[in-house]
Amino acid sequence: NAGVTQTPKFRVLKTGQSMTLLCAQDMNHEYMYWYRQDPGMGLRLIHYSVGEGTTAKGEVPDGYNVSRLKKQNFLLGLESAAPSQTSVYFCASSLGDRGRLFEQYFGPGTRLTVT
Amino acid sequence: GESVGLHLPTLSVQEGDNSIINCAYSNSASDYFIWYKQESGKGPQFIIDIRSNMDKRQGQRVTVLLNKTVKHLSLQIAATQPGDSAVYFCAEKTGANSKLTFGKGITLSVRP
Repeated sequence: NAGVTQTPKFRVLKTGQSMTLLCAQDMNHEYMYWYRQDPGMGLRLIHYSVGEGTTAKGEVPDGYNVSRLKKQNFLLGLESAAPSQTSVYFCASSLGDRGRLFEQYFGPGTRLTVT
Repeated sequence: GESVGLHLPTLSVQEGDNSIINCAYSNSASDYFIWYKQESGKGPQFIIDIRSNMDKRQGQRVTVLLNKTVKHLSLQIAATQPGDSAVYFCAEKTGANSKLTFGKGITLSVRP
């Protein structure tokens, strides 16, 4: 049971390049989330998904897209990277409301630098 | 808008002492709160949670207290150890879809 995994762990992009971050969970969780973490800003929700095939915007969705084609995977895409997207990105998953258990399990993070 | 915040950015304690980390929240409708620990280079890790119908919950060496009157949440760590050194976040559930709003975090530093 690996929990939540993220790939890659590190990435450097040039402005305007695109990339996809992959999140996978093996806990059969319904809900998945993407956060970014910046110094002094805490964790901010980018997008989330309440089930396979569904996605919704979070607090800071601009410049990002997501897809949840399979229940266990949640992809975060940057179509045209900007220096403001330099951050550490965390994926998380949870059982969702049906279980009345709201704990989110986090992956190890992806450190992205955009130059 | 309403948000979760923390009183102090850093806390330094002596090994073996008890630590108290405080958090203020502003959304009176929040019904669930959770504390996370984040070690350097790692993702946040669940410590303990509490529902709004409770005022205290205990775990192993940790206790969470909730005071809804003043919208205050605290995490108490007994007999603090060097391994407790980390950033601690409080978070509140702000509505449907299990979304959590996180505070900015406080660094706990344990002196040997």
